[in-house]
Amino acid sequence: ETGVTQTPRHLVMGMTNKKSLKCEQHLGHNAMYWYKQSAKKPLELMFVYSLEERVENNSVPSRFSPECPNSSHLFLHLHTLQPEDSALYLCASRAAGRSSYEQYFGPGTRLTVT
Amino acid sequence: AQSVTQPDIHITVSEGASLELRCNYSYGATPYLFWYVQSPGQGLQLLLKYFSGDTLVQGIKGFEAEFKRSQSSFNLRKPSVHWSDAAEYFCAVLNYGGSQGNLIFGKGTKLSVKP
Repeated sequence: ETGVTQTPRHLVMGMTNKKSLKCEQHLGHNAMYWYKQSAKKPLELMFVYSLEERVENNSVPSRFSPECPNSSHLFLHLHTLQPEDSALYLCASRAAGRSSYEQYFGPGTRLTVT
Repeated sequence: AQSVTQPDIHITVSEGASLELRCNYSYGATPYLFWYVQSPGQGLQLLLKYFSGDTLVQGIKGFEAEFKRSQSSFNLRKPSVHWSDAAEYFCAVLNYGGSQGNLIFGKGTKLSVKP
């Protein structure tokens, strides 16, 4: 596979469940991002990992827990979510350290919290 | 703080007509600018980018954008729209206030194409 992949593509979970979103990039990049995309709101940056270190956490509630075990994989662990957390969660990657700043996005996971 | 404004929430054009999507940014120096497209249920795909040099940049799918410093704009254009161009378009600027190459996105413009 090429590019950035995300699994699952769709997820329905109850407020007491625990689930994880997975992102994998096949581009040789070393920075990875989680975004939240809600209806009628701009993309919200949640977390940034650079060289497998978390370098940014944009005041995201602790019910979202990221993990980056290596430069190709990124996870978002979810627990005790709220209905307002229903959104499209997008993963992106880029080649940190280079002067080109474009990010490459995965197709997203559509999350519904019931 | 830096920001990106896309004044049009929704635009409808006829197939074959020309298209211009507006984007304004706030930043004092020369910004790094991007246009992305998102088809329904999909992630964002990079259409084109501007870093420096020629202010008219060509992208994929027949799109182009022009950087105008005097107007703080980076409008996206296409001379003849196809039905498959119906999607949401996002303008973004590199966040110079951050340290990790983060992008600041506009709220997007949804494009509908009439047959």
